[in-house]
Amino acid sequence: SQKIEQNSEALNIQEGKTATLTCNYTNYSPAYLQWYRQDPGRGPVFLLLIRENEKEKRKERLKVTFDTTLKQSLFHITASQPADSATYLCALVLKGSQGNLIFGKGTKLSVKP
Amino acid sequence: DAGVTQSPTHLIKTRGQQVTLRCSPISGHKSVSWYQQVLGQGPQFIFQYYEKEERGRGNFPDRFSARQFPNYSSELNVNALLLGDSALYLCASSLDPWNTIYFGEGSWLTVV
Repeated sequence: SQKIEQNSEALNIQEGKTATLTCNYTNYSPAYLQWYRQDPGRGPVFLLLIRENEKEKRKERLKVTFDTTLKQSLFHITASQPADSATYLCALVLKGSQGNLIFGKGTKLSVKP
Repeated sequence: DAGVTQSPTHLIKTRGQQVTLRCSPISGHKSVSWYQQVLGQGPQFIFQYYEKEERGRGNFPDRFSARQFPNYSSELNVNALLLGDSALYLCASSLDPWNTIYFGEGSWLTVV
């Protein structure tokens, strides 16, 4: 069956550490993958997009990797801050699709001071 | 520039009623899509419209319908509401279906 899994429902880390969130998928052929941040009661906010032929993307303190062999994306937040506390969603866009997103359930990140 | 705007932000409806949710995309964006997010889950794709034509439909019953207007704004209609339709309804827009998708803040629907 087709699945997209974000392996941790919740992740608690100390301020200043690097947070690493995992997104795994099975039986999908993604054209690209996007990461979103969602705060309680708000809509998702786009963070990064990485295409199937790209290994890594960076934006300020954020880094995403994409390994189509392992069928996995890793999302890193370096020098994490309490303001980074939120739910992070990964989403696939499949090859041959109309561009709609298939989301995981999200990982709730809590950064403690 | 304004982001994706949705209305209403919150509403309460009774089982069996009908609801219409509205969305204005980011200026210049011609693709609009709708997602349903229930508590504790990721958003689920309902519809996608591009250039006023339906381009994709998720696994939702026929009680759900949508349309896109000449100015690229969109409406989502849900008929014969069920308790299980209670959710956050998200509208998203993009330049075209294969570009980055930006979400609005959503419309919270509670069915009682």
